[in-house]
Amino acid sequence: QITLKESGPTLVKPTQTLTLTCTFSGFSLSTSGVGVGWIRQPPGKALEWLALIYWDDDKRYSPSLKSRLTITKDTSKNQVVLTLTNVDPVDTATYYCARLPVGGTLYFDYWGQGTLVTVSS
Amino acid sequence: QSALTQPASVSGSPGQSITISCTGTFSDVGGYNSVSWYQHHPDKAPKLMIYDVSNRPSGVSNRFSGSKSGNTASLTISGLQAEDEADYYCSSYTSSITWVFGGGTKLTVL
Repeated sequence: QITLKESGPTLVKPTQTLTLTCTFSGFSLSTSGVGVGWIRQPPGKALEWLALIYWDDDKRYSPSLKSRLTITKDTSKNQVVLTLTNVDPVDTATYYCARLPVGGTLYFDYWGQGTLVTVSS
Repeated sequence: QSALTQPASVSGSPGQSITISCTGTFSDVGGYNSVSWYQHHPDKAPKLMIYDVSNRPSGVSNRFSGSKSGNTASLTISGLQAEDEADYYCSSYTSSITWVFGGGTKLTVL
């Protein structure tokens, strides 16, 4: 059974750094072709892709947020960490992590339930 | 990269069919057969409904189908059921080796 779960602070102050952790089970990020990505959804708005890390540590970032995002993995802990620096109230959103399955695929087949992060002073 | 364009809302009666469009450019939808569709009920995890334009994951009803023509992809739901009421998002891989989502479409089952 494949599961992903996001964790992190629920409230962050403007200008601070947000650190989110995706803990997953049922697959390994050392398996060739697998990736884990982050997607967010501001309240009442659309999904927005943020970043993705592949099994081989290749990383991809949203061009509009690239300067503020960092994605890393800890394969031994089955975790992927996303950091977003210098947060602003517009970064208030539900943050999801999702799996990119094996085989050169380009879609997300399993998602976490999401974690709501509010940026406010 | 700009979000893919979807209608804000569509509606249909039970048993009817609806189609949701997703328009991009040659740099995303038109350039790759990597369009996927997600169903999103409030406070739940998004669910993959269609991948690679027209493929259904195991367990997804065959009432859901996908297609693509040029820079526009489409999701068709036939035999509408009350449980289909949700937000639907398309997504595409892009020439920038990133992903882009659509603005989302709210489906109302009348």
